[in-house]
Amino acid sequence: QKEVEQDPGPLSVPEGAIVSLNCTYSNSAFQYFMWYRQYSRKGPELLMYTYSSGNKEDGRFTAQVDKSSKYISLFIRDSQPSDSATYLCAMRKGSGGSNYKLTFGKGTLLTVNP
Amino acid sequence: GAGVSQTPSNKVTEKGKYVELRCDPISGHTALYWYRQSLGQGPEFLIYFQGTGAADDSGLPNDRFFAVRPEGSVSTLKIQRTERGDSAVYLCASSLISKGSGANVLTFGAGSRLTVL
Repeated sequence: QKEVEQDPGPLSVPEGAIVSLNCTYSNSAFQYFMWYRQYSRKGPELLMYTYSSGNKEDGRFTAQVDKSSKYISLFIRDSQPSDSATYLCAMRKGSGGSNYKLTFGKGTLLTVNP
Repeated sequence: GAGVSQTPSNKVTEKGKYVELRCDPISGHTALYWYRQSLGQGPEFLIYFQGTGAADDSGLPNDRFFAVRPEGSVSTLKIQRTERGDSAVYLCASSLISKGSGANVLTFGAGSRLTVL
């Protein structure tokens, strides 16, 4: 079993839909949780960054972390065709050895249709 | 530069050949990372540099892979005797703060796509 599990999709939604993306993980040492967006043939770009449990909102994007369930989510409201990309969850330890190392999920390919 | 620059963007080589991939990080970023992204997978950690030294090379798959950062800025990932299984996108990232603190945000380059025939 991988440390981070993410359904690769693909996920196809109409413009304006609410999108829900999620990851589960097994390592309880993970403290920092990130969502990256990756367009085709580009590098990952950081979207959201959350420490420990809780919610964080940034415009149309909301990140949620539930450490008790080892489950993280990214919600996209009023989705736009420009949101079409692969969304990668990533996480790392808060302290101790190798806490600089990101562990990624496989990524979910999202298409928002106009 | 404004971002992390990686060259070449694409490299096609034959099995058994030697390959070098270059990364030019954001100016002033002391930490540099290499990740490998295979088709349909998320990036996987290869190596981390703090300054000139490799602080953690535990992700390098075998001794055919080596990376250097001689002056603490540009880094080169070197792959000897390439195999078809080495085909992937090699991503470089840099950050201002080396330790895994809350502000340690990695900026990734666009990657070098390696194809071994």
